[in-house]
Amino acid sequence: EVQLVESGGGLVQPGGSLRLSCAASGFTFSSYSMNWLRQAPGKGLEWVSYISSSSSSINYADSVKGRFTISRDNAKNSLYLQMNSLRDEDTAVYYCARPRMGSMDVWGQGTTVTVSS
Amino acid sequence: EIVLTQSPGTLSLSPGERATLSCRASQSLSSSYLAWYQQKPGQAPRLLIYGASSRATGIPDRFSGSGSGTDFTLTISRLEPEDFAVYYCQQYGSSSWTFGQGTKVEIK
Repeated sequence: EVQLVESGGGLVQPGGSLRLSCAASGFTFSSYSMNWLRQAPGKGLEWVSYISSSSSSINYADSVKGRFTISRDNAKNSLYLQMNSLRDEDTAVYYCARPRMGSMDVWGQGTTVTVSS
Repeated sequence: EIVLTQSPGTLSLSPGERATLSCRASQSLSSSYLAWYQQKPGQAPRLLIYGASSRATGIPDRFSGSGSGTDFTLTISRLEPEDFAVYYCQQYGSSSWTFGQGTKVEIK
């Protein structure tokens, strides 16, 4: 079964850091680019970051550029999101998802990040 | 950046009725890169339609997508109880993705 499982969410103070992980299984992880997306409470979906299969191409939404870093370890079938200088507005459910033909065909269940003092 | 505007914000319908959801782009986009998702409370989004009109794996044929250029439509031919949810359109370009604000389909 194709599956993505996020972890690492939690409560963090403004200005703090958090590292999210996404474990992939059921497909050849190293052959696929990957995305992080988020959804603030009661709000819509926002794409956060993209990484190509070999990590040679990376992109970020303007809202997180300079604060978040995406990475992957193909040997461990894992995707990561290092989040620094967190702000209240970063509070959201964070999803990893597999892009395919311009859409995202596989999503994790999400991990919740709450930024609050 | 291409902005996607969905309408209506909320659609109140009864089971068995037809639902027509609209997604308008601020500039013309490739049909290959327009997708639709369904999201239920507490769940991750589920891909319904990709390439503007192709159903994803396992999606019932009551869901259909159409459109080109700046105007796209998701149609649910006959609403089933499990179809009441929020629907998002999404476009892709230059290694970035944007979503519409969503349409909630609620039970009338």
